[in-house]
Amino acid sequence: GQNIDQPTEMTATEGAIVQINCTYQTSGFNGLFWYQQHAGEAPTFLSYNVLDGLEEKGRFSSFLSRSKGYSYLLLKELQMKDSASYLCAVNLDSGYSTLTFGKGTMLLVSP
Amino acid sequence: DTGVSQDPRHKITKRGQNVTFRCDPISEHNRLYWYRQTLGQGPEFLTYFQNEAQLEKSRLLSDRFSAERPKGSFSTLEIQRTEQGDSAMYLCASSPPGNSNQPQHFGDGTRLSIL
Repeated sequence: GQNIDQPTEMTATEGAIVQINCTYQTSGFNGLFWYQQHAGEAPTFLSYNVLDGLEEKGRFSSFLSRSKGYSYLLLKELQMKDSASYLCAVNLDSGYSTLTFGKGTMLLVSP
Repeated sequence: DTGVSQDPRHKITKRGQNVTFRCDPISEHNRLYWYRQTLGQGPEFLTYFQNEAQLEKSRLLSDRFSAERPKGSFSTLEIQRTEQGDSAMYLCASSPPGNSNQPQHFGDGTRLSIL
């Protein structure tokens, strides 16, 4: 089966930096996505990695190591509105674009 | 860009009833996906359409579930003879033509509660 692991919960302080890890063991790999989901709302796309290395997008960065089956999402200058669930998802197949998600990491940002 | 629209937002029904949900994708998106999400879990893939063709179905999609996208635009997901275990958020997503790693854009979902 497919295995995508993330910590269940994390807490951090406003203004700080937090790193959310994701490890995966899957039968195929054609890219890894990070989504943000506020309670009761749609997941929204944050970042995408298919090659090893770091992708930076403003306060958010994502890193991938394919050989280690590992990714992380780095959030800088945390704001209260960053309190949400962060979902790691793998595209297993190059033919279709269906995603296999982890269970998500609930991040709570406190003042 | 009006985003992905789903209707209804909430549905409460008795066990054994049939329900149907609708998804309107972003207009230029030819790819459409249905996912199911339960509390504390990530979305689980159900089925995938490219234009009007249903190209992939998860083993989660039992014979009580059927999805259509008749004209390659909106899609419907029907659940027959609903069961308690069907209670979940049903999410629809769409993505544009191009390589298979175009980001998927999600709707706000339909929350189904089975009494």
